[in-house]
Amino acid sequence: DAGVIQSPRHEVTEMGQEVTLRCKPISGHDYLFWYRQTMMRGLELLIYFNNNVPIDDSGMPEDRFSAKMPNASFSTLKIQPSEPRDSAVYFCASSTGTGPNSPLHFGNGTRLTVT
Amino acid sequence: GEDVEQSLFLSVREGDSSVINCTYTDSSSTYLYWYKQEPGAGLQLLTYIFSNMDMKQDQRLTVLLNKKDKHLSLRIADTQTGDSAIYFCAANQGGKLIFGQGTELSVKP
Repeated sequence: DAGVIQSPRHEVTEMGQEVTLRCKPISGHDYLFWYRQTMMRGLELLIYFNNNVPIDDSGMPEDRFSAKMPNASFSTLKIQPSEPRDSAVYFCASSTGTGPNSPLHFGNGTRLTVT
Repeated sequence: GEDVEQSLFLSVREGDSSVINCTYTDSSSTYLYWYKQEPGAGLQLLTYIFSNMDMKQDQRLTVLLNKKDKHLSLRIADTQTGDSAIYFCAANQGGKLIFGQGTELSVKP
């Protein structure tokens, strides 16, 4: 099992550019979560999906952020236009459920730097 | 909504016990978790406790839960340099996990 795969590992872009982060969850996991980690705010849940359907996007900062899950094996998080304050590590995680017997499996994250 | 708080840093000597503390606000959280993050990696589940339990022990790890005070702690016995990492407390809010800011544990030889 390859685990949750995120790409790219690092992304450096200029303010105003579009950024797309990608995630491949573990096969068979029905839940997919996008988190953002910063020194100031810690780990924040942005959005999560169940069976490819967005369930809770209340953590998405603003309209510049959008997330999709077109199929069970792929999700994207897009920022358009990007701003320096979006610089953070973005994690994708997947799980088979929502209880303790279904722990979150995290990818290694995408470190985004917006200059 | 749920709010989870932790102190940011803890430094201990190798062989000592480490105690990492966490408070949460939502008494309806049914599960509380401890995750570990090593440099450059995602978080990994260490252990969890049901809200109707007071204590759970798993090898060198002991989790204590004071539900009345909404206080959770993680004790690591005989702390090793390999335990140096960031430790996150998390509480469930419905189908999602709310994480604390993480406690950076530094273990000095």
